[in-house]
Amino acid sequence: GQSLEQPSEVTAVEGAIVQINCTYQTSGFYGLSWYQQHDGGAPTFLSYNALDGLEETGRFSSFLSRSDSYGYLLLQELQMKDSASYFCAVKETTDSWGKFQFGAGTQVVVTP
Amino acid sequence: NAGVTQTPKFQVLKTGQSMTLQCAQDMNHEYMSWYRQDPGMGLRLIHYSVGAGITDQGEVPNGYNVSRSTTEDFPLRLLSAAPSQTSVYFCASTQGVGYTFGSGTRLTVV
Repeated sequence: GQSLEQPSEVTAVEGAIVQINCTYQTSGFYGLSWYQQHDGGAPTFLSYNALDGLEETGRFSSFLSRSDSYGYLLLQELQMKDSASYFCAVKETTDSWGKFQFGAGTQVVVTP
Repeated sequence: NAGVTQTPKFQVLKTGQSMTLQCAQDMNHEYMSWYRQDPGMGLRLIHYSVGAGITDQGEVPNGYNVSRSTTEDFPLRLLSAAPSQTSVYFCASTQGVGYTFGSGTRLTVV
């Protein structure tokens, strides 16, 4: 069957580094996205990896290994505002950017 | 720049009622999608569209219809509401890479 696996919750202190893993088993794979969602809000786009390797955007980085069907989101220098849910999502088809499969999300709790 | 606008923000329906959730985007995005979000289950794709006049089913399409008569609008219709459709609904659009999501519609069916 198709699935995306993420840890349900991660807790860390301000200033620390958190890595959120995502393993996927899908019918097709053309890229992996990450989204952030604060309580009561809409998801916001963080990153997209189509090729193997690390993409860095400020304090957040995203990594993909297609051979391992695995990716991760790295949050550095954690701040209180980073407390949110983080979702990985797989683009399953080559011809549509409108069709992604999402994981269940990881709740990141940042403590003082 | 409004982005993706969803209305209404909140709605309570009785079982069996029908309604339309509105979604409009002003970014001239080709792709639009509807997702529902339930606790512990992430976002599940209901229907999506790759352009005006073209729609397709996602993972959980039963009980919902969509149409895409213009690039801007992508309404979601609930045909006969059921308690299982109680959820938060998000409309999203993209021209590639990342979605822009609307603020969501919180729907309760009693």
